[in-house]
Formats: sequence, C-alpha cells, structure tokens
Amino acid sequence: EADIYQTPRYLVIGTGKKITLECSQTMGHDKMYWYQQDPGMELHLIHYSYGVNSTEKGDLSSESTVSRIRTEHFPLTLESARPSHTSQYLCASQTSGGVTGELFFGEGSRLTVL
Amino acid sequence: QKEVEQNSGPLSVPEGAIASLNCTYSDRGSQSFFWYRQYSGKSPELIMFIYSNGDKEDGRFTAQLNKASQYVSLLIRDSQPSDSATYLCAVRNAGNNRKLIWGLGTSLAVNP
Repeated sequence: EADIYQTPRYLVIGTGKKITLECSQTMGHDKMYWYQQDPGMELHLIHYSYGVNSTEKGDLSSESTVSRIRTEHFPLTLESARPSHTSQYLCASQTSGGVTGELFFGEGSRLTVL
Repeated sequence: QKEVEQNSGPLSVPEGAIASLNCTYSDRGSQSFFWYRQYSGKSPELIMFIYSNGDKEDGRFTAQLNKASQYVSLLIRDSQPSDSATYLCAVRNAGNNRKLIWGLGTSLAVNP
C-alpha cells in the first residue's frame, strides 16, 4: 500500500489568489496523477506524470499546472483561482507493473474559491 | 456509449444479503480491472483487482471477469451497513497510454 499525502486538506481562498496543492508519496512510484472530482460526479484526470521531468495534461482541460522535479513530489498550481475551480482535487500514485499497476489515492484537497 | 458503464443506482440491499455490482466496458483490448470503494467526501480506496477470466475472492468480496462478454462484477457477501458507499469500476488497456478509464460508480445502500 502506498503512503501518499496531500496538503492542505481544506482551503478557502478569494478569487485571483495563487495556490499550490501539495502531493507527496514515499513509495518511490514513478507514475503519479491528479484527478478532479465534484460531489457525486465522476473522476476527471487533469494531469499525470510518468517520472521526473515528465508531465502530461489529462483528459479534462484544466487551467492548473504541475511539476515533477523529484520522484516523491507532484504539486499542482493555480496561478489565479476562480470560483469555477472549486472542487475536490485527488492525487494518486501507481505501483509499477504497466497494465497491472494499482492506483492509491491521497485523502484529497477540497478547494473553495469565493 | 461510455467506455466503462455502471448502473448509478442506488442499489439497496438488506444487511446480510449479497450485493451484486456490475460493470461493462467497450474496449476488447482491456487487460486489467479494478474495483474501488468511495465513501461520501472521501477518496477512492482499492478493494481488489482482477486480470484473468473467472472469479477472484478476497474475504467477503468476489470479483468476476468475463472478457468474452466484456463485463466485470463485484459481489459483496454478508453486506454490512459499513459497505454503504459508491463503488467505482476502472479499466485499463495496453493502449491509451495505459491510463485508467473510470466508470461513474454505483451507489450501494445496505439497510440495517
């Protein structure tokens, strides 16, 4: 089982602020993901990374950006938050194994933009 | 047609009964199949995965895979109120950069 941590768990900010959601894992997993999920709705992949200095946009267009400078760290940044960014953001890492690798999720960061 | 389909429910079963959750997928090249449980306001947690046709059992949970019919199911025996959650089916194939394709989830309510 992966140990994956997200901070902050809850964040309420005003429009126009810059925010960074932190995600760290201690298992040395190369593959990491950011999902966005509204209450009762499906998971949307917004970013993923298959290793250091590798980042890709996901299936859902997002104004956020990510970086992967270290294996264990995959932060997500919003340069100028808007109310439409209000959502739950879930970070996950994947065990090795190609098609057989399992995803493990952090506890999530719930963002509210006023 | 969505790539991974689940009945949204809610599926309501009495405590102690067997809950049966179904998932169908469209890509015949799909190779691995995962069931996640998500409590309201929480993140998904892995229950089990299956790669080969047939049944796989883990405690009260049994995953069943039928690649010919393109469905995977999850059986929960002796259902408990604590099993009340949304169950997400996820499918991965060798293409599509090996990303997981998620269903919308089935809401399960186990009534005491």
